[in-house]
Amino acid sequence: AQSVTQPDIHITVSEGASLELRCNYSYGATPYLFWYVQSPGQGLQLLLKYFSGDTLVQGIKGFEAEFKRSQSSFNLRKPSVHWSDAAEYFCAVGVASGGGADGLTFGKGTHLIIQP
Amino acid sequence: NAGVMQNPRHLVRRRGQEARLRCSPMKGHSHVYWYRQLPEEGLKFMVYLQKENIIDESGMPKERFSAEFPKEGPSILRIQQVVRGDSAAYFCASSPTSGDSEFNTQYFGPGTRLTVL
Repeated sequence: AQSVTQPDIHITVSEGASLELRCNYSYGATPYLFWYVQSPGQGLQLLLKYFSGDTLVQGIKGFEAEFKRSQSSFNLRKPSVHWSDAAEYFCAVGVASGGGADGLTFGKGTHLIIQP
Repeated sequence: NAGVMQNPRHLVRRRGQEARLRCSPMKGHSHVYWYRQLPEEGLKFMVYLQKENIIDESGMPKERFSAEFPKEGPSILRIQQVVRGDSAAYFCASSPTSGDSEFNTQYFGPGTRLTVL
């Protein structure tokens, strides 16, 4: 079974500073990888995804993530954070089987705090 | 194109009552997933359905919980005889059919927050 680890429960970053959120996964093959963001009381919004091909993927809101097979990692980055980026960030792994995709396995999330 | 819709957004039930949570997938999506988010925990997969079929229910509690996705109408997650431990946010996600380039991408609804008194 696959698993996802987000080692940082909380991260505090100053507005305008760069950001990197860590994500490590465990799975025997190359999974599908996702980053979602959740604001308080809201649903999850897809930031970006990796299926195959170029290991550096671009997402919405200026986010990017890099898939590193050798490190089983899929870290999320942003060069300059804005106060509106404060939220909970979830890394997720999925696999495809049969005619569709299985349920996703999520990390426990990283709570991002932005300091003015 | 409307996103995934869930209702109600908030639901309060007393212990022993039934809770029914509804999910309408995005237009053109035929796969529905239900997840539960408990306080201090991440999201946990519960069940994966296609129209009129349960594909994977490995994450569903064995008792009191059931799900359906009928030919017509929304998907329903049903919790019978609720207990305080069922208090959580329940999220629905949908994805397109296989053959679509996005078929393994899940889009989430706003969730239903269930409170059991």
